[in-house]
Amino acid sequence: GAVVSQHPSRVICKSGTSVKIECRSLDFQATTMFWYRQFPKQSLMLMATSNEGSKATYEQGVEKDKFLINHASLTLSTLTVTSAHPEDSSFYICSARGGTGGNQPQHFGDGTRLSIL
Amino acid sequence: GQNIDQPTEMTATEGAIVQINCTYQTSGFNGLFWYQQHAGEAPTFLSYNVLDGLEEKGRFSSFLSRSKGYSYLLLKELQMKDSASYLCACPFYNQGGKLIFGQGTELSVKP
Repeated sequence: GAVVSQHPSRVICKSGTSVKIECRSLDFQATTMFWYRQFPKQSLMLMATSNEGSKATYEQGVEKDKFLINHASLTLSTLTVTSAHPEDSSFYICSARGGTGGNQPQHFGDGTRLSIL
Repeated sequence: GQNIDQPTEMTATEGAIVQINCTYQTSGFNGLFWYQQHAGEAPTFLSYNVLDGLEEKGRFSSFLSRSKGYSYLLLKELQMKDSASYLCACPFYNQGGKLIFGQGTELSVKP
């Protein structure tokens, strides 16, 4: 089945650091990937839709200069949290669809737990 | 706009049956997904419904009524490992296929 790999799984760093998270589709090509953020005991909140070869589409309220998304190939999207601060600490999850059919589910990476000190 | 609503928490007993409801109001409908998410892990796909009726998959079944904007996930023969958050979500293919999630239902299975 479709596998999405996300790296790193855990990051702990100082305030002001920029952090890059990678999302790879291992056995399929994904023209579109999605980035979510999840706070404890809350549901997934879509941050942006990552489009291969073009700019990402950000959801309302998400700062595009804060959360830089690059989708350089059909199997890789990256999310960079720039100048991270403690309020950016969260669980970040990427996903990709394994096909274009209407019943194709999104497959999720294992998530990255980001802790900013 | 879009609104997807499900109960926040449910508790059930091992071996029992539990039904988790989800109601939705969306501009356009392209089906409904159910995902399971264990604490600290990524969601895993459970089911997809686009036509009315019941889809059975082992211990888990999912039901959809498009006229009522309503779906439920039915879990039978509950096991302790079924303790997790269950998320219903609707896709929007005219917006790149993004998923909008409900707030999730935290299910606790007690012995």
